Amino acid sequence: AQSVAQPEDQVNVAEGNPLTVKCTYSVSGNPYLFWYVQYPNRGLQFLLKYITGDNLVKGSYGFEAEFNKSQTSFHLKKPSALVSDSALYFCAVRDMTGANNLFFGTGTRLTVIP
Amino acid sequence: DVKVTQSSRYLVKRTGEKVFLECVQDMDHENMFWYRQDPGLGLRLIYFSYDVKMKEKGDIPEGYSVSREKKERFSLILESASTNQTSMYLCASSRGHQGNEKLFFGSGTQLSVL
Repeated sequence: AQSVAQPEDQVNVAEGNPLTVKCTYSVSGNPYLFWYVQYPNRGLQFLLKYITGDNLVKGSYGFEAEFNKSQTSFHLKKPSALVSDSALYFCAVRDMTGANNLFFGTGTRLTVIP
Repeated sequence: DVKVTQSSRYLVKRTGEKVFLECVQDMDHENMFWYRQDPGLGLRLIYFSYDVKMKEKGDIPEGYSVSREKKERFSLILESASTNQTSMYLCASSRGHQGNEKLFFGSGTQLSVL
């Protein structure tokens, strides 16, 4: 069975500081990994994904994520946080060999403090 | 840009009512999905569809059914609404069957069952 863990419900960071939102996963085969962001009263928006190749993936709005197979992690990062980055972030995983279901984590609320 | 439109932003229904949630996408995507989002639980897949008239159960299908008579439209049906179905419902679509495609989400329907 596949699963995703986002160990932090809430992350607070000062504006201009680097931010990290953590994600670990469990799948039986090789994973496809995704990050989505949800702004207030909005649906989810795609940020970035890892399929294969380079472990560092760059996405929208200056975000990037690093795939670490040995630690089964896919942490989301940004070098300098903006107040407008405040939102709910979801990590998701799909097993390459399994059904076409995307399994989501429980979400991490990021607050960037001015 | 792909647009996924959910017919209602807010909906209030009574226990026992039959409820229809409608979703339309405008990019000829093969795949469509219904999720529910609850605080602390993240997104959970209710049903999905790979093609017209096809449907597959997700992780929490009990109490729900779906209909996909046309490629662009995917309806979620609550046969007899109950209070535990009060939730945010999110529709999504994606193209192809590779498994690495991103999902495009609608803005969501906040359903309250009284």
